[in-house]
Amino acid sequence: EAGVAQSPRYKIIEKRQSVAFWCNPISGHATLYWYQQILGQGPKLLIQFQNNGVVDDSQLPKDRFSAERLKGVDSTLKIQPAKLEDSAVYLCASSSKRVQFFGPGTRLTVL
Amino acid sequence: GQQLNQSPQSMFIQEGEDVSMNCTSSSIFNTWLWYKQEPGEGPVLLIALYKAGELTSNGRLTAQFGITRKDSFLNISASIPSDVGIYFCAGSQGGSEKLVFGKGTKLTVNP
Repeated sequence: EAGVAQSPRYKIIEKRQSVAFWCNPISGHATLYWYQQILGQGPKLLIQFQNNGVVDDSQLPKDRFSAERLKGVDSTLKIQPAKLEDSAVYLCASSSKRVQFFGPGTRLTVL
Repeated sequence: GQQLNQSPQSMFIQEGEDVSMNCTSSSIFNTWLWYKQEPGEGPVLLIALYKAGELTSNGRLTAQFGITRKDSFLNISASIPSDVGIYFCAGSQGGSEKLVFGKGTKLTVNP
């Protein structure tokens, strides 16, 4: 069974630029999550989708972050404009039976 | 928001030694998960716990769901160099699949 796929693996941008990350969950997993993991911390949930609907986006900085999952399968997370403090690893996960499986993450560096 | 207190923050041990780490909370959780994260990768699930008092093993790893539902521990027996990584506890509350993560325990094993 293929795992959660994410791309790109690494991205370096300058502040005020925009960036987008892509995630393809495990086949058949209806729930998809985006997390932000700052160095030395555990992952922090940004947004949770159930199929193509948002379940929880309470911790998503909506002035600059947006996410969509139009067909209920793959998803994109966008940051516009990026700030220095957005430097982090962005993890995508999908779940089955209360267990979340994570992708390898995208490491974002904002200069 | 809800936080999980994970300890110790880091451990330096000799190969062959046993390891114990734990996670506590001020409120009740109904699912506890333990993940391991290696550099450049996403967290990988080690053990999932669903019932208070549950004790589950996965090879040399053993984890328990505390009776009070406010804590969990993870033990690793006879450590080997490939056990190196950051171990995260995570929990969910109520009927939600939303996970809260601890800050991680960084394990270093000296051969």
